[in-house]
Amino acid sequence: QTVVTQEPSLTVSPGGTVTLTCASSTGAVTSGFHANWFQQKPGQTPRALMYSTDKKQSWTPARFSGSLLGGRAALTLSGAQPEDEAEYYCLLYYGGAMFFGGGTKLTVL
Amino acid sequence: QVQLQESGPGLVNPSQTLSLTCTVSGASIGSGTFYWSWIRQPAGKGLEWIGRMQTSGISNYNSSLKGRAIISINPSKNQLSLDLNSVTAADTAVYYCARAGIAGRPDYSGVDVWGQGTTVIVS
Repeated sequence: QTVVTQEPSLTVSPGGTVTLTCASSTGAVTSGFHANWFQQKPGQTPRALMYSTDKKQSWTPARFSGSLLGGRAALTLSGAQPEDEAEYYCLLYYGGAMFFGGGTKLTVL
Repeated sequence: QVQLQESGPGLVNPSQTLSLTCTVSGASIGSGTFYWSWIRQPAGKGLEWIGRMQTSGISNYNSSLKGRAIISINPSKNQLSLDLNSVTAADTAVYYCARAGIAGRPDYSGVDVWGQGTTVIVS
């Protein structure tokens, strides 16, 4: 079974920068995995942030960016705000199937 | 504005079939330019992709469900459905429907629209 791995938790200071990553058990993540990123706050529905590795949804704040980094998909938050505290999930495509990572709990403290 | 709304019984008996419906508004489910997906999330846990379907009939499923899931589309009602058979307590979760573009196409926009989710308890 394919496994997509994210850091379980990360902490960033207000105004700071943090990078979340998304790794595949099958090897290096490339643009062909069409990485998506989602933000979920407690009690809320997941909200799409990024798609196709580095493309923002129209509502995604400019402080979020996506990339490929060291064989992983990455989501970088530059200038963290208190409202960015949330769970973040990546999603990778494997041909006809899709798999979510386990999520990263991001604390802004 | 595209909106998705899940509905279904909140409680299902073990070994029975869980049946959910997702009603789409603001877009035609029969347009063929999207996949329509089901995703679930057990309480306090992460997201799990269940499967997806296009109106062309193309469908894909998470193999971990061992063939228990069937997704169907009813274009005349603009609805997406999920049947999950032989349920156990492990199927207790919030179930979401979501719209996903077709990856690789120039107009691909990711898994961009989600329903609010519906809670299903197997007990």
